[in-house]
Amino acid sequence: IQLTQSPASLSASVGDRITLTCRASQGIATSLAWYQQKPGNVPKLLIYAASALQSGVPSRFSGSGFGIDFTLNISSLQPEDFATYYCQQLSSYPLTFGGGTKVEIK
Amino acid sequence: EVQLVESGGGLVQPGGSLRLSCSASGFTFRSSAMHWVRQAPGKGLEYVGAITTNGRATYYADSVQGRFIISRDNSKNTLYLQMSSLSSEDTAVYYCLKEPDYGTSSGFDYWGPGTLVTVSA
Repeated sequence: IQLTQSPASLSASVGDRITLTCRASQGIATSLAWYQQKPGNVPKLLIYAASALQSGVPSRFSGSGFGIDFTLNISSLQPEDFATYYCQQLSSYPLTFGGGTKVEIK
Repeated sequence: EVQLVESGGGLVQPGGSLRLSCSASGFTFRSSAMHWVRQAPGKGLEYVGAITTNGRATYYADSVQGRFIISRDNSKNTLYLQMSSLSSEDTAVYYCLKEPDYGTSSGFDYWGPGTLVTVSA
């Protein structure tokens, strides 16, 4: 299963609402997770089961989607949110990742 | 506290082999399936493969199938990744991951810090 993330990068300002998308090459129900990775750091789990917020993750992060199309929303971008975001399908092996979306400061 | 620590990375020549280890603690290792993910310098995450709790089943990405072997020693709380026929495309930081108690649907919240493998002459 291939995952296509878009855009590959985006520039935004603190306080902006942004939407990242992830499209699967075949239906995966809600078997999708989102991760945040900052340079030099290990990826951090944000969302699992497409829309479930991982414990300790701020509520400005939300996920949605079913089947093929998924989104990660950040309601009000904070300085610490500038990072690269990856989706991962958890439906079938191999558990592939999308190519990532880099969120940069405008 | 769950801890995963990879080791064994380093410089290896093209065509060579290398074995990575992941030492686990803070949880019942024999009850957790384990996974490997890698990340080439400046690139995205790539899933490598997984092994079931008893080691009887393994799963691999197409890019490593036939070259990499995942194994485990539950008596030593250690996960392994045996890599062979290495090429420059295998240069990456290799992470080991603990599968969540309720299965992969919960996503992966435990990652080791990674170990760097560099394939170069």
